[in-house]
Parts: sequence; structure tokens; C-alpha cells
Amino acid sequence: NAGVTQTPKFQVLKTGQSMTLQCAQDMNHNSMYWYRQDPGMGLRLIYYSASEGTTDKGEVPNGYNVSRLNKREFSLRLESAAPSQTSVYFCASHSEGVRTEAFFGQGTRLTVV
Amino acid sequence: AQSVTQLGSHVSVSEGALVLLRCNYSSSVPPYLFWYVQYPNQGLQLLLKYTTGATLVKGINGFEAEFKKSETSFHLTKPSAHMSDAAEYFCAVSARNQGGKLIFGQGTELSVKP
Repeated sequence: NAGVTQTPKFQVLKTGQSMTLQCAQDMNHNSMYWYRQDPGMGLRLIYYSASEGTTDKGEVPNGYNVSRLNKREFSLRLESAAPSQTSVYFCASHSEGVRTEAFFGQGTRLTVV
Repeated sequence: AQSVTQLGSHVSVSEGALVLLRCNYSSSVPPYLFWYVQYPNQGLQLLLKYTTGATLVKGINGFEAEFKKSETSFHLTKPSAHMSDAAEYFCAVSARNQGGKLIFGQGTELSVKP
């Protein structure tokens, strides 16, 4: 049971380059999320998708775009990377209702130089 | 707006000692409450959660937490620390009517001394 799979695990970009972080889940969850983790700041929500075909901004959306390709896949795109986007990125999917729980991928460590 | 405050970015305990990690939240209505653990270079794993029912909840690895509405707290405890408990711990909340969007505290790094 794979759960949530993120690729790549590591990436180094030059300022201005673009890239897409991929995320897929096999738990048939409706909701998927992208967070970034920075030291001393916990995890902050970038974008989320409550269901296939919908996406919404989170706390820190600037500089990012997302695509909910289908129920399984939710990608995060950096169109023009900046050093401030150096971070660890986590994708998560959620079960719903009172049994709600987030399942996280292993993370993508991104460095922008 | 909801917020989460974890008191102490670093906590150090001796092996066998009590672990207490503090979490307070701000919310207009009682939210869902979670504790997640992150081991080095890994994703986050759910330790325990409170959504409804009994306010003392037990999780994996001997951890437990108690939801205290009057104190808006959800502190994490473990009676006896083990070396394998060394990790970063995150408290998080989500609103009952906003799906799974989580608001995280800044994290507490737990060190366990032999």
C-alpha cells in the first residue's frame, strides 16, 4: 500500500527555472493538499483541492500553481523559482468526517540557488 | 482565524523521564486536534487525534493527549521517554466545517538523553 507518493525527493533549481512537483495517492481520498515546511514555522498550506476539478489557495500561494489532474494526482508548479521558495514540500491527502486524518508523502527538498 | 501555539521549540528529557509537549489553540469553536511526529528526513505520521467523544486520547508509541476546552489546550504526554522518541512533534488543528485543512504549530524538537 503506497499511500502518498511524491516525486522528486530532491531538486536543485537556478533562480528563474520552472519545475513541477508530482503527487499521487491511492487511498481514494477527495481532498489533497500541498504544504511547505520551513524551520521554526511548522507547515504552511500552499494550495488544496477539496475534490477533483477544484483547487483553492491556502496561506502562502504566491509563486505557485496547482493542477488536480484526476482524483489520484495533484501537482504543484513553480513557474519561475526564487530563493525564497527553498523549502521542503509535502503533499497530503485527507480522509473525511470524524475519522479525518492526513496522510503525508515523504517530501521534496527543493533548493533554489 | 485559527492558530496553534507550541510552547518550546526544543525540549530535552532523560530516557525514562516524563515527556510533556505543550499545545494551545485559538478557535471560535472547538476544532479537530492532532499531534503528528516527524522523524529525520521523513514525512509526518499521525500520533493521535481528537475529533469527538472522550477527551483523553491515546495514540501510538505510548503517547496520549487530553483536550481541555476551558484551557484551549491539547498537551502531549508520555510517562517514560525512550531514545526512539527523539523527533519533531507538531500540533495541528482543523475546523470542523472546513474539510481537512490543517493549521500547524511551529513544532517542538524532542531530544532524549541517555
